[in-house]
Amino acid sequence: DIQMTQSPSSLSASVGDRVTITCRASQGISNYLAWYQQKPGKVPKLLIYAASTLQSGVPSRFSGSGSGTDFTLTISSLQPGDVATYYCQRYNSAPFTFGPGTKVDI
Amino acid sequence: EVQLVESGGGLVQPGGSLKLSCAASGFTFSGSAMHWVRQASGKGLEWVGRVRSKANSYATAYAASVKGRFTISRDDSKSTAYLQMNSLKTEDTAVYYCTRLLSGLDVWGQGTTVTVSS
Repeated sequence: DIQMTQSPSSLSASVGDRVTITCRASQGISNYLAWYQQKPGKVPKLLIYAASTLQSGVPSRFSGSGSGTDFTLTISSLQPGDVATYYCQRYNSAPFTFGPGTKVDI
Repeated sequence: EVQLVESGGGLVQPGGSLKLSCAASGFTFSGSAMHWVRQASGKGLEWVGRVRSKANSYATAYAASVKGRFTISRDDSKSTAYLQMNSLKTEDTAVYYCTRLLSGLDVWGQGTTVTVSS
């Protein structure tokens, strides 16, 4: 099975900082990659699909890039409400594996 | 309003069974692939399995950790998906989410808690 890894596992940044999270697949998955945000105690929320397409209603400070095996999620200007754990997930074929998550603090 | 509502969680002994339900509304359930995702307390998201639509032969797929013990099904006439869990283990303790795959998992239920303990 294809494994998903994320780095870093956690980070702390300041309001207004540019934050980048990396996700890597052990084999190529084309652009079948989604990013989710999960705030403490809340249900996960889809941020980005197809590696770079912003889900409706998601602020434009979030962006995604990559294809094949290497992907990034970028928050251009970190806001207090962005404190959350971020997960990548492949959805090209089963099993639809999630990455281990990246916890973002301020 | 697009909505998924899970039910059926609870406390069960190791080796026992439980069946979760996921009632959908506000979208064309019959054309949607439905997935189950779980999250143990303080841990990350774990994909459990999925059932595809009738057009895709109701094909199912499962994570290795639950294969042979869990079964996902659906009743399109009731707009409901199910997760039958047998031979439950303590490590199956988690919040179980029902979710829809469109491009990414775009709609999630609020989750239902399953606790496996003696």
